Amino acid sequence: EAGVAQSPRYKIIEKRQSVAFWCNPISGHATLYWYQQILGQGPKLLIQFQNNGVVDDSQLPKDRFSAERLKGVDSTLKIQPAKLEDSAVYLCASSFPQGASDYEQYFGPGTRLTVT
Amino acid sequence: DAKTTQPTSMDCAEGRAANLPCNHSTISGNEYVYWYRQIHSQGPQYIIHGLKNNETNEMASLIITEDRKSSTLILPHATLRDTAVYYCIVRPISGGSYIPTFGRGTSLIVHP
Repeated sequence: EAGVAQSPRYKIIEKRQSVAFWCNPISGHATLYWYQQILGQGPKLLIQFQNNGVVDDSQLPKDRFSAERLKGVDSTLKIQPAKLEDSAVYLCASSFPQGASDYEQYFGPGTRLTVT
Repeated sequence: DAKTTQPTSMDCAEGRAANLPCNHSTISGNEYVYWYRQIHSQGPQYIIHGLKNNETNEMASLIITEDRKSSTLILPHATLRDTAVYYCIVRPISGGSYIPTFGRGTSLIVHP
């Protein structure tokens, strides 16, 4: 089974530039998550999709971050304009509820963003 | 805020058991305990989860106290490849709004 794919793996941009990240979840997984992980900290959820609808985006800085999952499969996360504090690893994860109770998240390798 | 507390770091000798504790004293009856680990430069990886009973799979064992306020992840024979950050999180069984919350986890170093 193919895992969660993300690209690019690394990105270096200057502050005030724009950047976009792409995620392809595991086939059939309805739920998709974007996390931000700053060095030395645990992943922080930015946005959660169920199919192509947003379940939660309360921690997404909406003045500069946006995300979409138009066809309920692939997703893109955009930052415009970037700030120095956006330097982090951006992780995408997906999950498929296996029943009414438990499910696990499968994470991609992440995109390491450096803003200079 | 994370609903769990874990030691910042631990170390273990290769071949010995690694016992990683997690405190989740405010856990409710409809919440699972999940464990993930994150090896350097990779995304987190699911290890195991449980509700009330102890659980075991090919990766680890999970021991949950009777009052469910704490748990221990056991790697029975740690190897150098088990060096990683281990996260303990709680999440509801179903329904409602749930924001997966990872704390800083425990950095486990397995040494030769």
